[in-house]
Amino acid sequence: DGGITQSPKYLFRKEGQNVTLSCEQNLNHDAMYWYRQDPGQGLRLIYYSQIVNDFQKGDIAEGYSVSREKKESFPLTVTSAQKNPTAFYLCASSVLAGGHTGELFFGEGSRLTVL
Amino acid sequence: GQQVMQIPQYQHVQEGEDFTTYCNSSTTLSNIQWYKQRPGGHPVFLIQLVKSGEVKKQKRLTFQFGEAKKNSSLHITATQTTDVGTYFCAIRANDYKLSFGAGTTVTVRA
Repeated sequence: DGGITQSPKYLFRKEGQNVTLSCEQNLNHDAMYWYRQDPGQGLRLIYYSQIVNDFQKGDIAEGYSVSREKKESFPLTVTSAQKNPTAFYLCASSVLAGGHTGELFFGEGSRLTVL
Repeated sequence: GQQVMQIPQYQHVQEGEDFTTYCNSSTTLSNIQWYKQRPGGHPVFLIQLVKSGEVKKQKRLTFQFGEAKKNSSLHITATQTTDVGTYFCAIRANDYKLSFGAGTTVTVRA
């Protein structure tokens, strides 16, 4: 079945460590996104990419990095520079219709806890 | 950047009652999308509104886009326990970037 796969589902990290969250999609979507969700809050955009080898910062990019070497993959690295990394991370993808974003399809999320 | 205010933040509803959640923007929107996130789950797309004054229905859910395209509402009639979750609106900040409201979290009293 087509969809978006995020891994790991749960991740624990010590302070000062970098961690990479995986996001893979087989929907043949051009655009991919990373959002962060904190308890009781909405989704805040970290990075997005509409084409391979290109990506843009979202609203809260500091302390994060991404790559888009393949159309189907958009991994997110949470670096030690991110001051408050404990959160629920959601990856999404969409088609680009007429140069605009369509509906977002989300993965099941990765819950990161920094100990 | 372009932002959208979503109210109320929390909605406690008696089963069988109706309720409405609202999204308001200070600027004219090209379109607006609505998503639902069940507890412990991920957001799922519900609908997109594009035209001024547009009204769309999905069973007990009615979505409306304001005439000025600056606000939108989601009205749920005869609330059921399956309606529990958080409802988000999302607006396009540029061609590729979607910004989400803070969401309305709905709980239902049986």
